[in-house]
Amino acid sequence: NAGVMQNPRHLVRRRGQEARLRCSPMKGHSHVYWYRQLPEEGLKFMVYLQKENIIDESGMPKERFSAEFPKEGPSILRIQQVVRGDSAAYFCASSQSQGRGNEQYFGPGTRLTVT
Amino acid sequence: DQQVKQNSPSLSVQEGRISILNCDYTNSMFDYFLWYKKYPAEGPTFLISISSIKDKNEDGRFTVFLNKSAKHLSLHIVPSQPGDSAVYFCAASGAENSGAGSYQLTFGKGTKLSVIP
Repeated sequence: NAGVMQNPRHLVRRRGQEARLRCSPMKGHSHVYWYRQLPEEGLKFMVYLQKENIIDESGMPKERFSAEFPKEGPSILRIQQVVRGDSAAYFCASSQSQGRGNEQYFGPGTRLTVT
Repeated sequence: DQQVKQNSPSLSVQEGRISILNCDYTNSMFDYFLWYKKYPAEGPTFLISISSIKDKNEDGRFTVFLNKSAKHLSLHIVPSQPGDSAVYFCAASGAENSGAGSYQLTFGKGTKLSVIP
């Protein structure tokens, strides 16, 4: 019974390149949340998606960041033209319904390093 | 503006003794509070939660206390074990029917607990 899966676990990109982070929710879960953890900080909400819909992207930077959760396949967080400040751990969580915290199950994260 | 604050970046405790991790919040709209445990290279794992209508919730060795008037909560671990060594995050969310507030978790910066054998 696989949990939330994220890949890659580690991603190194040069400034200006694109980063694609993937998240496969737990089986039976159709709600996905992305959080970002900057160094020495707590996790911060970025975006909440359901299949084919962005429900809340209030935590997403206005430029260069986008997210999708297609009908088939994983949720993707895309960062265009990465800058050093994008270096962080990106966590995905999933839930069966629009859940309160303990119903959100977190993946292991993708650690993005921008050189 | 940090709405959830964990003022102790680290804490060391002897095995068998009590660990007390503290958390303060500023947003009066928060009504549900959670503690997560995180090991290196892993995602946060839910540990215990408390609703604002309670002042205490217990689960085995873990107890969370909530003081609403002081906007303060604490996590007690008794007895502490070496396997408890991890970073502990305090998080908060709004009411069940508050829309975005119900699912957006606001996290503190974490406290690194080291339990010494």
